[in-house]
Amino acid sequence: GNSVTQMEGPVTLSEEAFLTINCTYTATGYPSLFWYVQYPGEGLQLLLKATKADDKGSNKGFEATYRKETTSFHLEKGSVQVSDSAVYFCALLQGGSEKLVFGKGTKLTVNP
Amino acid sequence: GAGVSQSPSNKVTEKGKDVELRCDPISGHTALYWYRQSLGQGLEFLIYFQGNSAPDKSGLPSDRFSAERTGGSVSTLTIQRTQQEDSAVYLCASSPMGQQNTEAFFGQGTRLTVV
Repeated sequence: GNSVTQMEGPVTLSEEAFLTINCTYTATGYPSLFWYVQYPGEGLQLLLKATKADDKGSNKGFEATYRKETTSFHLEKGSVQVSDSAVYFCALLQGGSEKLVFGKGTKLTVNP
Repeated sequence: GAGVSQSPSNKVTEKGKDVELRCDPISGHTALYWYRQSLGQGLEFLIYFQGNSAPDKSGLPSDRFSAERTGGSVSTLTIQRTQQEDSAVYLCASSPMGQQNTEAFFGQGTRLTVV
């Protein structure tokens, strides 16, 4: 079946540090890939997405590139801020399906 | 113009009791989803409604779980004879036409604790 594996953390960084959260997936065909973010006390929000190989999703300084050859969708940000502290979830959506398959989430804490 | 609204935000219930969780999707959204977020299992799909089509119930963990969507809008997730392993945050999401083409928006969830 489809699955998503992401580094579980927690990850603690200082402000302006470089962030990478690894995500790999197992799926048949060509799923769409997502990063969702859950800020403290808030609901899940879509951060970025990519729908086909080599697509790069980007938003709020975050980027992730759909790598079919390595079945990966790693999340990166060049300079994190305290306000980026949240839990980040990698997810996939199989073509023709409406069921998001999530990784277990990575808690990020950014200290000033 | 609010987002997806869920109620109650917190629910504590005794083992064996039935509970109902409510979701008000964004107006006009035809697709509605329920997910469960638990410590051990992460985020799991439960059920999906799309317009007047039969719902996809493939994620419901047991026959104690059921959901309905009345009038294509509000949805209720019912858990009968609750067990401690049902303790989790239950998330509802809605989407204008389905996630293949449009974004899903999540509510803040209902935290269910079974004691």
